[in-house]
Amino acid sequence: DVKVTQSSRYLVKRTGEKVFLECVQDMDHENMFWYRQDPGLGLRLIYFSYDVKMKEKGDIPEGYSVSREKKERFSLILESASTNQTSMYLCASSVVSYEQYFGPGTRLTVT
Amino acid sequence: AQRVTQPEKLLSVFKGAPVELKCNYSYSGSPELFWYVQYSRQRLQLLLRHISRESIKGFTADLNKGETSFHLKKPFAQEEDSAMYYCAPPYFKLIFGTGTRLQVFP
Repeated sequence: DVKVTQSSRYLVKRTGEKVFLECVQDMDHENMFWYRQDPGLGLRLIYFSYDVKMKEKGDIPEGYSVSREKKERFSLILESASTNQTSMYLCASSVVSYEQYFGPGTRLTVT
Repeated sequence: AQRVTQPEKLLSVFKGAPVELKCNYSYSGSPELFWYVQYSRQRLQLLLRHISRESIKGFTADLNKGETSFHLKKPFAQEEDSAMYYCAPPYFKLIFGTGTRLQVFP
């Protein structure tokens, strides 16, 4: 079974803090993705990576950055957290043009 | 951008009723679409993919190129089908549909 794990299930941070969300997959997938999931808005792609050190912006990259130093790990960074970044964050991985495998999600609250 | 549209945010039916969750796509070429499902407190997971033409948990989805649709159907809904359903293309810059919440009442 493909395993995609995320470092935290729940996270509470203060406005202005730098936040790191970590994602690890164990199936040697080339592609990794970060989404945020909000009621009524569905899944919105923040960033994706198709190889180590390679990244591309998704639909809503503003306020976020990413890092992929190793194939199995993809980090999402909120440089200065704001309340409008309170959301559920989902990480996923895939082989090119195949189904995505999702992590359990991190519910981030920014106060 | 390659995009799919799910026009309904919420679909409510009674147990045993037929269900159809709508998905339309807006890109050209040979589409290959997926349906994902998220049950309460579980991770998002693949339900079925167009190319395999399979039936999973009684659900089927037929690609209609003329209508550019990939609707998800089940003849008799069950309470355990209550979940969020997302339609998605598999291309590089995936853009998921906004999702449809299916509620099946007893």
